[in-house]
Amino acid sequence: GAVVSQHPSWVICKSGTSVKIECRSLDFQATTMFWYRQFPKQSLMLMATSNEGSKATYEQGVEKDKFLINHASLTLSTLTVTSAHPEDSSFYICSAKDTGQGAVYNEQFFGPGTRLTVL
Amino acid sequence: QKEVEQNSGPLSVPEGAIASLNCTYSDRGSQSFFWYRQYSGKSPELIMSIYSNGDKEDGRFTAQLNKASQYVSLLIRDSQPSDSATYLCAVNSAGSARQLTFGSGTQLTVLP
Repeated sequence: GAVVSQHPSWVICKSGTSVKIECRSLDFQATTMFWYRQFPKQSLMLMATSNEGSKATYEQGVEKDKFLINHASLTLSTLTVTSAHPEDSSFYICSAKDTGQGAVYNEQFFGPGTRLTVL
Repeated sequence: QKEVEQNSGPLSVPEGAIASLNCTYSDRGSQSFFWYRQYSGKSPELIMSIYSNGDKEDGRFTAQLNKASQYVSLLIRDSQPSDSATYLCAVNSAGSARQLTFGSGTQLTVLP
């Protein structure tokens, strides 16, 4: 299957700082990537859909000014958590779909996730 | 009504047994169906995809789809302790060309 990487794998920051998380598709092009958040023992929650070259689409209840998404190339999307607070501490996971030739229809591959802890 | 429903479990089976995981979905126009495995503290890993009615086998895993009943299942044969994880059912619904809707997951424990 296709490979998606995330960086960093974990980050600890002080309240009020901003944190940038990168999501890369390593061996395929992804016009669309997705950002999820998962709290302990809960299911995945879709935060936003990141579209290459255009604005992200945010799910209801997700603040677009707090969670900035940039998808500047076909292999890279970034999520910036601005002015992070302890309640933003969570496991952030990106995923991407291989939209190239030969890709299996609609299969979505996840990055390894980024664990954010805000003190 | 949730769009994708799974029994949360926990489901426990002895080693070597067949584990059966079930999922129902509400959108009759759904086209693509996926099973992901998520180990504790890790991200989901795609293990099966199925698009047409019937069974699809891959090693010890068999996915079953019944669109008339809006039901998709995952069977794990010869279950191993390493299969202990949360299994997420995901559905790509009509009208959401790229987005997946996930169930809340079923926690499976395989007892040695």
